Amino acid sequence: DTEVTQTPKHLVMGMTNKKSLKCEQHMGHRAMYWYKQKAKKPPELMFVYSYEKLSINESVPSRFSPECPNSSLLNLHLHALQPEDSALYLCASSQDLAGDNEQFFGPGTRLTVL
Amino acid sequence: EDQVTQSPEALRLQEGESSSLNCSYTVSGLRGLFWYRQDPGKGPEFLFTLYSAGEEKEKERLKATLTKKESFLHITAPKPEDSATYLCAVVGGTASKLTFGTGTRLQVTL
Repeated sequence: DTEVTQTPKHLVMGMTNKKSLKCEQHMGHRAMYWYKQKAKKPPELMFVYSYEKLSINESVPSRFSPECPNSSLLNLHLHALQPEDSALYLCASSQDLAGDNEQFFGPGTRLTVL
Repeated sequence: EDQVTQSPEALRLQEGESSSLNCSYTVSGLRGLFWYRQDPGKGPEFLFTLYSAGEEKEKERLKATLTKKESFLHITAPKPEDSATYLCAVVGGTASKLTFGTGTRLQVTL
């Protein structure tokens, strides 16, 4: 099973709202990732967790707050977003952070900020 | 800094018309080169990992090859369901994150 699941599939929120994106994998992977993807662009890395600890933060604004409650779950908490944050948010996982391990992506959450 | 360039940006093929997509890369110490397929509004689907020059991998109508400077994704007798964006990504040196190319948008028509 190489499935990564994400909820919700779609999310519309106002600039003052607080919402969360959720990601789950049951492949026993110990590295999990959040990406942001704009239309006709490749995925852009936001955060990386390794063994449930934040390993990489690509200088993401603090209105995005990641959380890794356990080895299977990854959350992205959203607060006071801007319309330019509207995008497809992708979660991925890999066996670990070794560079030769493939990452498996979830279906994404389509976020619209009004 | 790792760099990946994909060409062409877009490709339109007729069903059955074979072709190749190119991924040129610059990386210090290649750890892995990855090919993904992405349908509109969905997450990338993993296709292949290549580790060293000369390596080849196949899956149905797709075949990926690797040299020291580039990778090719050969599509043999494509069908309309092969229409998607194909992304190439590399990891090099001590890095633990993917560097993506901008993708090739493939459209296969009847």
